[in-house]
Amino acid sequence: GQNIDQPTEMTATEGAIVQINCTYQTSGFNGLFWYQQHAGEAPTFLSYNVLDGLEEKGRFSSFLSRSKGYSYLLLKELQMKDSASYLCAVRGEYGNKLVFGAGTILRVKS
Amino acid sequence: NAGVTQTPKFQVLKTGQSMTLQCAQDMNHEYMSWYRQDPGMGLRLIHYSVGAGITDQGEVPNGYNVSRSTTEDFPLRLLSAAPSQTSVYFCASSPRRGGRKYAYEQYFGPGTRLTVT
Repeated sequence: GQNIDQPTEMTATEGAIVQINCTYQTSGFNGLFWYQQHAGEAPTFLSYNVLDGLEEKGRFSSFLSRSKGYSYLLLKELQMKDSASYLCAVRGEYGNKLVFGAGTILRVKS
Repeated sequence: NAGVTQTPKFQVLKTGQSMTLQCAQDMNHEYMSWYRQDPGMGLRLIHYSVGAGITDQGEVPNGYNVSRSTTEDFPLRLLSAAPSQTSVYFCASSPRRGGRKYAYEQYFGPGTRLTVT
C-alpha cells in the first residue's frame, strides 16, 4: 500500500527555523517532492530528493533517508509569507504518478 | 507561456447533472493528471495520461471520465454529479514520465472549485 504521514499543523515564530517531517511507505520509490500551497491557490514546487542527503535552495532545505522512509523540509529565517500548507509527495517506481500526504499547515506568528 | 489553465474557476451543479472541467497546457508536456483535494485528505489522483491517446485510472476514478486527443488538452468529465464530488479539482502537467536524475516536477493549474447540491 501507499502511506505518507506528515504532522497536521505546526506553529513557529517569524525569524525562527522550522522542520516539517514526512515518513512514507510506498510500493516503489523514484523521488520525493515538497510542494508549498497557499490558501486558495495551486501547489507550487519547492524541492526534489531522489538520493540520500540534503538539498539546499536558499532558505529552504530538504533531506532524504531512503532506508528510513523519511524526509524533512527545513525552513530558515521564517517570514510571514511562509504561512502555507506544505505537501510531501512520493513518485513511484514507474511513470510520473505522485502520492501525496495530507499536508502540514504551517502558521508563522510575529 | 500561460502554463496550465483550467476552466471554470467555480461551478455549482445539481445532483445528477453532468459537466466537463477543462484543462490545457502550452508547455508541450507529455504527462497530465487530474487530482481532487478535500480537507484533511491531501491531493488524490483521479486519472492521468502519459501522452495523446493514452489514459489510465488513478486512486479515485469512479464517476469521472477523461480523454486525451491532443497533447495540450485533458478534459475531465463528471458523468452524473454527486454531493461526494464536491471538491477542489487540480490539473497538472509535467515534461516527462519520470526519471531518476531529474525532478520533472508537476506544474499545477489554478484549480476548479466544484459544489454539488
